[in-house]
Amino acid sequence: AQKITQTQPGMFVQEKEAVTLDCTYDTSDPSYGLFWYKQPSSGEMIFLIYQGSYDQQNATEGRYSLNFQKARKSANLVISASQLGDSAMYFCAMREPNTGNQFYFGTGTSLTVIP
Amino acid sequence: GAGVSQSPSNKVTEKGKDVELRCDPISGHTALYWYRQSLGQGLEFLIYFQGNSAPDKSGLPSDRFSAERTGGSVSTLTIQRTQQEDSAVYLCASSLGGGIGGGQPQHFGDGTRLSIL
Repeated sequence: AQKITQTQPGMFVQEKEAVTLDCTYDTSDPSYGLFWYKQPSSGEMIFLIYQGSYDQQNATEGRYSLNFQKARKSANLVISASQLGDSAMYFCAMREPNTGNQFYFGTGTSLTVIP
Repeated sequence: GAGVSQSPSNKVTEKGKDVELRCDPISGHTALYWYRQSLGQGLEFLIYFQGNSAPDKSGLPSDRFSAERTGGSVSTLTIQRTQQEDSAVYLCASSLGGGIGGGQPQHFGDGTRLSIL
């Protein structure tokens, strides 16, 4: 079974609108971390936001927030007030520290912000 | 700089040659990861080093691929007898230990773009 599933290969959003990128995960470990990364066309991988499995509140970092629904095993990324520079690939990832600290990445979602 | 450094940034070589890709992680990071990314694709896990533990080599696609990490710091990924399908961007990342809930993110280098002619 896939550890991380991103079901949206491509998404479009109007500039200044909000967009949600979906991510579901699969683990039986009670301790895990969830991450989102951005990869612009230039290729670098940029860490955006982190959510711990024990965190009671949804993580937020500026215009990024993580909609963490533990029972549903989902960790959707919400980008508010989209900007043209947000156009990029977005990858969801999970880390299980109790099983070797491996990171598992999803297949990514390509986001295009339309002016 | 303080980030993950990879060299070379670009490598073009002929099929059948051996190549070495280098990764210099962030100082103090105990975990080091190698990934491969083909054009327009996601990240393919190759190998993972954690401190002095035996590396997790489960992602290496063939015995032509090997990696080592000397002194718990710099890592070298070696591809022997390169094939055209080895053409990709090879990304290295490092992180601190996982901590509670695995909260330490990976920090990525800019990658090595490998082209096999």
